[in-house]
Amino acid sequence: DAKTTQPNSMESNEEEPVHLPCNHSTISGTDYIHWYRQLPSQGPEYVIHGLTSNVNNRMASLAIAEDRKSSTLILHRATLRDAAVYYCILRQYSGGGADGLTFGKGTHLIIQP
Amino acid sequence: DVKVTQSSRYLVKRTGEKVFLECVQDMDHENMFWYRQDPGLGLRLIYFSYDVKMKEKGDIPEGYSVSREKKERFSLILESASTNQTSMYLCACYNPPTEAFFGQGTRLTVV
Repeated sequence: DAKTTQPNSMESNEEEPVHLPCNHSTISGTDYIHWYRQLPSQGPEYVIHGLTSNVNNRMASLAIAEDRKSSTLILHRATLRDAAVYYCILRQYSGGGADGLTFGKGTHLIIQP
Repeated sequence: DVKVTQSSRYLVKRTGEKVFLECVQDMDHENMFWYRQDPGLGLRLIYFSYDVKMKEKGDIPEGYSVSREKKERFSLILESASTNQTSMYLCACYNPPTEAFFGQGTRLTVV
């Protein structure tokens, strides 16, 4: 799997937007960009994914650079419940067969009240 | 809702015991995964399976084996538990290219 690079931790204030960066300079043309988050004492949960275009859902937005070598997860208005470790990973859709799903260390997001 | 169910939330075993961690998913997903998570090390992939009876080693397979006799069930086996296998174990299932679903985790302590 292609590698991603994220800051170890970030801090933000409650009710402010948060921009979580991810670099993936070795991304291939068929790699999807996925984001997951892990709340304390829980398994990771899916946040959003995209291929080339920016994506929005009820949880967040994903902004993908034109050259796809970086992306940003945007939480529009952070709450204390958004404090978690956020993982950016690349997934290649092979249409079947063996695919490992490899996580890095992620970004620990701290939200200050 | 997809459910990924791990058989135990907390488990305490003795060194040398054979340990089975069970994971069941109800979404008919092809791919299933086992990870361990340790402070400062993130999630590390132990084994994964893309079909019944098929398995692939992940990044840290040593000391572990797996079994997938039915599509919905993926078992992680510690042949002879050791204290360095004390960890949080997470199971996941996935059909590319959409999202993976994780269980709540099993916190295993080997004494």
